Amino acid sequence: KNQVEQSPQSLIILEGKNCTLQCNYTVSPFSNLRWYKQDTGRGPVSLTIMTFSENTKSNGRYTATLDADTKQSSLHITASQLSDSASYICVVRGAQTMDSNYQLIWGAGTKLIIKP
Amino acid sequence: EPEVTQTPSHQVTQMGQEVILRCVPISNHLYFYWYRQILGQKVEFLVSFYNNEISEKSEIFDDQFSVERPDGSNFTLKIRSTKLEDSAMYFCASRLAGVGNEQFFGPGTRLTVL
Repeated sequence: KNQVEQSPQSLIILEGKNCTLQCNYTVSPFSNLRWYKQDTGRGPVSLTIMTFSENTKSNGRYTATLDADTKQSSLHITASQLSDSASYICVVRGAQTMDSNYQLIWGAGTKLIIKP
Repeated sequence: EPEVTQTPSHQVTQMGQEVILRCVPISNHLYFYWYRQILGQKVEFLVSFYNNEISEKSEIFDDQFSVERPDGSNFTLKIRSTKLEDSAMYFCASRLAGVGNEQFFGPGTRLTVL
């Protein structure tokens, strides 16, 4: 069954510290993996997209990694800021032969809280 | 920067009433979507819409739901007879043509069914 599991469920860190969020998936075949940031009460906003051939991609203080062999991805946040407090959601797209929205498998997200 | 907008931001309704949630997608986008997110749960796909017709829908999108693009700018989700379990955040999204292009999400409408 296609699934996306994220850990931890929630995380509290102090401002300025780094953290790493994990995403494991069983989606097959695999097309791409996207990390979203969702502020409370707002829609998700894309941070990065990783395709099969990409191992690392950075977007400012966010760095995503992908290991397609072990089906794992991580999102590393450097020098956290109060505005990083949000849910971070991993979404995996399956086969791209059909542009099916069913092929988007959503994780439950990690709720990150940054404390001053 | 263009963005997806949704109205209202919060809708409160009585069980059994009809509600219409409104979305204005980004103007040159061609694919439109509705999602919902029950409090504390995953985002769930409801329906996708392209070329004035539904291209895909999930099992959640039953006969109580309908979508419409009544003019060139609005995209609406109608729930004909709301149930308590319809209480959720409803997100609209849109994207350009081309497989795999990013979907841009609106800020959501919080629907509360009493």
